[in-house]
Amino acid sequence: DTAVSQTPKYLVTQMGNDKSIKCEQNLGHDTMYWYKQDSKKFLKIMFSYNNKELIINETVPNRFSPKSPDKAHLNLHINSLELGDSAVYFCASSRSQLGNQPQHFGDGTRLSIL
Amino acid sequence: SQQGEEDPQALSIQEGENATMNCSYKTSINNLQWYRQNSGRGLVHLILIRSNEREKHSGRLRVTLDTSKKSSSLLITASRAADTASYFCATGGSTGFQKLVFGTGTRLLVSP
Repeated sequence: DTAVSQTPKYLVTQMGNDKSIKCEQNLGHDTMYWYKQDSKKFLKIMFSYNNKELIINETVPNRFSPKSPDKAHLNLHINSLELGDSAVYFCASSRSQLGNQPQHFGDGTRLSIL
Repeated sequence: SQQGEEDPQALSIQEGENATMNCSYKTSINNLQWYRQNSGRGLVHLILIRSNEREKHSGRLRVTLDTSKKSSSLLITASRAADTASYFCATGGSTGFQKLVFGTGTRLLVSP
């Protein structure tokens, strides 16, 4: 059973389109995250939700909008996709928002903008 | 700005040898974590060391933390081909809030 699952695994689309990535965790965790990993493998946090409430919102263009319908799901919607959005997007979860716990990652969504 | 930087960027060794990776960071931390990322996969948590700990072991992994030098090392003993992956350190802030800042990673290649 996959603990943190993301769909789709691959996403190839044209510049200017709108797309969504979905994430679900079956670990019973309270906190979920979105990260962006660039071509140099640098991983940067974008958003974090705790029990459906936004708690971290890094300097991300407002074309990116996360939504958490319940604490097991965190989706990411991206409007007006740009070339620079090409990256691997990872969803992760942790038991709580306290800073002493490991995070569990999904296998990523590889987004390619043509 | 980026918090952790791993050194070396890439490491190539033979099976059975030990692999040591270092991580340096810039600000006060609550804890430091190491993660492994296999090609095409997500990150997997390996070990967490708290700021008041100096050394921690888990199987073939040994992690040290020197808060005075703001550095940590990950030692993998008796490496195996399956250890081939990228390894990242991540620091948790001094407020205790769960915002991890990841380093640039070390790519480890273990040849049979």
